[in-house]
Amino acid sequence: GESVGLHLPTLSVQEGDNSIINCAYSNSASDYFIWYKQESGKGPQFIIDIRSNMDKRQGQRVTVLLNKTVKHLSLQIAATQPGDSAVYFCAEKRITPLVFGKGTRLSVIA
Amino acid sequence: GAGVSQTPSNKVTEKGKYVELRCDPISGHTALYWYRQSLGQGPEFLIYFQGTGAADDSGLPNDRFFAVRPEGSVSTLKIQRTERGDSAVYLCASGVAGNTGELFFGEGSRLTVL
Repeated sequence: GESVGLHLPTLSVQEGDNSIINCAYSNSASDYFIWYKQESGKGPQFIIDIRSNMDKRQGQRVTVLLNKTVKHLSLQIAATQPGDSAVYFCAEKRITPLVFGKGTRLSVIA
Repeated sequence: GAGVSQTPSNKVTEKGKYVELRCDPISGHTALYWYRQSLGQGPEFLIYFQGTGAADDSGLPNDRFFAVRPEGSVSTLKIQRTERGDSAVYLCASGVAGNTGELFFGEGSRLTVL
């Protein structure tokens, strides 16, 4: 079946270290992927996206990598800060709507 | 407003009651989505509007759920005969037509059915 899932439900990272959050997808027809950040009590916030014809995209302190061969997506956060503590979701899009995974909770240890 | 506004932020109701949740999208956004999020889960798609029409309502769980967007701006999600299993955070998001993925979410309406 089709699914968007995450390898780890929780991730603890020391402040200043880099974080890597992983996501697996199963539908090779997906052509667009998005990472969202959700802080407690708030709605998801767009972080970065990537199209299926790319394998890497960089933003401010964040990088998304797409490996279509193994249907794997990752979000890398450089120099993780306390404000990065949140739940991170990958989402998959073919037409509409976005399909979200369960999420990974990132905890930053000061 | 600057962002997506949802009201009420919290709603407690009794089983069997009728509930309406309102979403005011970002001005000019023609696409509007409703999602439902249970504790510890990712948002689950309910319905998508493009303008006034429901372009995709495949996520509505049953006929107790209904949503409207009569003037292509504000949308109302309506839940009849609420059940305890309807308890969740209902998220609304809006986006620009043709934009492939960047949705702007509101803070959600937390519904608790006792």
